[in-house]
Amino acid sequence: QLQLQESGPGLVKPSETLSLTCAVSGGSIISSRSYYWGWIRQPPGKGLEWIANIYHSGTTYYNPSLESRVTISVDTSKNQFSLKLNSVTAADTAVFYCARQDSGAWYSFDSWGQGILVAVSS
Amino acid sequence: DIQMTQSPSSLSASVGDRVTITCRASQSISSYLNWYQQKPGKAPKLLINGASSLQSGVPSRFSGSESGTDFTLTITSLEPEDFATYYCQQTYSTPCTFGQGTKVEIK
Repeated sequence: QLQLQESGPGLVKPSETLSLTCAVSGGSIISSRSYYWGWIRQPPGKGLEWIANIYHSGTTYYNPSLESRVTISVDTSKNQFSLKLNSVTAADTAVFYCARQDSGAWYSFDSWGQGILVAVSS
Repeated sequence: DIQMTQSPSSLSASVGDRVTITCRASQSISSYLNWYQQKPGKAPKLLINGASSLQSGVPSRFSGSESGTDFTLTITSLEPEDFATYYCQQTYSTPCTFGQGTKVEIK
């Protein structure tokens, strides 16, 4: 069974860079099916916001609202992908989820990590 | 960006009630509409994709339908484990966007 696990610091200072990694187990990031790997965030008590996706080839897709501050990357040798969000502010405090998106199933996110809370504070 | 408007934002219901949640897209999204259930402190769980395709393992009391740009999630008989927040999501165009959520609470 596919499992995704987020990791990274739970506290980041304002103006610094938030860095998270999602380790994938129980399946390969490189798959014959067209899976994409993405990040979604959820501020405390609020709704969901898609941040970015990446294909195992390295093709990336970003939410235009965050594109200038976000970088997503993949390391197929480690079966993981990562997110960097720079110049963070308190507004970036959120639970960050990594997830798999299936282009063969209406691009739905069918597997999710448990989420990691990242607070931005000095 | 395509705006997804869910209604109601919250509702109170009793076990056994029929519950309907609506999601309206700001433009045509074909059937690229997915529904997720989220319980407190947990990640969202995919219930339905393609507007009406029930995911494996999801109880048949959940169903989805569409009419133009209006999409509906129906729970035919609410069970205690169904009290949660439900989100719709369009994946027709990038960026994919979510509705603001509908919290289903116990009456």
